[in-house]
Amino acid sequence: NAGVTQTPKFQVLKTGQSMTLQCAQDMNHNSMYWYRQDPGMGLRLIYYSASEGTTDKGEVPNGYNVSRLNKREFSLRLESAAPSQTSVYFCASTTLGGADNSPLHFGNGTRLTVT
Amino acid sequence: SQQGEEDPQALSIQEGENATMNCSYKTSINNLQWYRQNSGRGLVHLILIRSNEREKHSGRLRVTLDTSKKSSSLLITASRAADTASYFCATDAWGGFKTIFGAGTRLFVKA
Repeated sequence: NAGVTQTPKFQVLKTGQSMTLQCAQDMNHNSMYWYRQDPGMGLRLIYYSASEGTTDKGEVPNGYNVSRLNKREFSLRLESAAPSQTSVYFCASTTLGGADNSPLHFGNGTRLTVT
Repeated sequence: SQQGEEDPQALSIQEGENATMNCSYKTSINNLQWYRQNSGRGLVHLILIRSNEREKHSGRLRVTLDTSKKSSSLLITASRAADTASYFCATDAWGGFKTIFGAGTRLFVKA
């Protein structure tokens, strides 16, 4: 099993450009998450999808949009990239978040630089 | 602001010594998890402790949870150079689907 797959692995954007980060999981998980990781800040939750057809804001949603395309795929879109969005982005999934007590499975990240 | 905060921010020990990392959180939780991250990789789940549990073991890992103090600790016994990584605690609030992470502890184990 591939687990959680993120594409691309690296990306450089110019300010104002748009792009979509892709995430797919093959574990039949219901819940999916997007985090960003900045030095010294740990992981901050951007958006999550508790189940197919639902999405909700996390701690830092401004400047991002998400789409839960189907049960497997959860994409993150930057409509107009800003240097403050330079970060490493991680996608994660779990059987069912919250009271399910199941751990998150992470992809290996997308390293995004906005110049 | 982040739910969990780890202490210390960084820890350097000799191989064979024990490493203890602490995590404090702010709100009532359903469970608390510890994750490990090697440089340049995604996080890997280590251990989960439920809010009605006080201690849990997994191999060389021992986790404690004190819900009255809203704190947890992760103990790695007989550390190895391969344990060098960042360690994060994460919490799931009751009734919610958000998993919130702390800023992490960077552990360096010298061979």
